[in-house]
Amino acid sequence: GAVVSQHPSWVICKSGTSVKIECRSLDFQATTMFWYRQFPKQSLMLMATSNEGSKATYEQGVEKDKFLINHASLTLSTLTVTSAHPEDSSFYICSARAPSGGTNTDTQYFGPGTRLTVL
Amino acid sequence: AQSVSQHNHHVILSEAASLELGCNYSYGGTVNLFWYVQYPGQHLQLLLKYFSGDPLVKGIKGFEAEFIKSKFSFNLRKPSVQWSDTAEYFCAVKAGSARQLTFGSGTQLTVLP
Repeated sequence: GAVVSQHPSWVICKSGTSVKIECRSLDFQATTMFWYRQFPKQSLMLMATSNEGSKATYEQGVEKDKFLINHASLTLSTLTVTSAHPEDSSFYICSARAPSGGTNTDTQYFGPGTRLTVL
Repeated sequence: AQSVSQHNHHVILSEAASLELGCNYSYGGTVNLFWYVQYPGQHLQLLLKYFSGDPLVKGIKGFEAEFIKSKFSFNLRKPSVQWSDTAEYFCAVKAGSARQLTFGSGTQLTVLP
């Protein structure tokens, strides 16, 4: 149980285009999902908290208009990198927070990540 | 704001050696503590977690961690490492009522066969 998938696993795009990354919780419902960036040999940097049915909460320094987050259902959150530039190239990871009340309350389960390369 | 420190950036051990990876956090209130592992080319997987109760927590693959509240620490241990334990290990803290995790910088463990 507690499987999170991401699609695509990798994407290469031209500068100026937009890229959408999907994050799905496959066997549980997640009212809260998180989006991270991970630079080579570095830790995860939280970008935003995605809340089902409401606006995302962005961390300081993360551009809301550039990284659009939509959490339209309890099993799906999307991150759209708009007008991508080479400096946006990174490894994007999502996680889904297990629902409250069970033994896995407050535990985050991570997707496999999406490698974005902007040319 | 809370922070998480992992002082060992890279640890190299021979097989069968004992392992201890340090993790310290800065937050005075109630915390939930996690260790995640990232094997080469794979996603983060939960090793173990501490929410309350027995401060010695046992996880998967023979790992355990001890929560020492007075030291604000949650060190990860394994009595005998294997080559397959080669991976990056991340400590993470959920502080109080916050929903997000704060991650440490990670420790790369290399186990030599």
